[in-house]
Amino acid sequence: DAGVIQSPRHEVTEMGQEVTLRCKPISGHDYLFWYRQTMMRGLELLIYFNNNVPIDDSGMPEDRFSAKMPNASFSTLKIQPSEPRDSAVYFCASSLRQGGNQPQHFGDGTRLSIL
Amino acid sequence: GNSVTQMEGPVTLSEEAFLTINCTYTATGYPSLFWYVQYPGEGLQLLLKATKADDKGSNKGFEATYRKETTSFHLEKGSVQVSDSAVYFCALSLNTNAGKSTFGDGTTLTVKP
Repeated sequence: DAGVIQSPRHEVTEMGQEVTLRCKPISGHDYLFWYRQTMMRGLELLIYFNNNVPIDDSGMPEDRFSAKMPNASFSTLKIQPSEPRDSAVYFCASSLRQGGNQPQHFGDGTRLSIL
Repeated sequence: GNSVTQMEGPVTLSEEAFLTINCTYTATGYPSLFWYVQYPGEGLQLLLKATKADDKGSNKGFEATYRKETTSFHLEKGSVQVSDSAVYFCALSLNTNAGKSTFGDGTTLTVKP
């Protein structure tokens, strides 16, 4: 079975540029999560969707960040304009909706470096 | 609110040593509990889970028992290997959170040969 697929795996870009991270969840999963992981702050939930609808975006750090889920098989996280402090590993995860006993399935992440 | 507290790392052990990583939780309801493992350069992956009190989750020689009376879910392994070196995350999830999980800060384990 294909897991959660993220692209690109690595992204290096200059400050001020637009960055788009992509995620394909596991087919049939109703929930999609975007996380950011850094040494300083650990794993942070940015936003999550249920059936393509954003449920909680309180973790999005500022207006420079936006996320969309146009259909059940695709989501994007966009940073515009990017800043060096956005450098982190960004993970996408998905899960089934069957109560709280379903684990999350993570992609291998996008390592983002903003110069 | 909900929270998960893990023992601080890093933890360094010799091969074949006994491992315990402590995890305690606070929840407003009746949670399911999880341990995830993250190997270098990879995402988190489920290691084991338990969904009700006194359940024991187990996988790859790791075990954890859901203790409602002490609100704990400690991870144990009798004999660690170098390949177990990774970051371990304890997490909880409630039905009322509609799929959202609360993660601990992670504990880094290094096993030396």
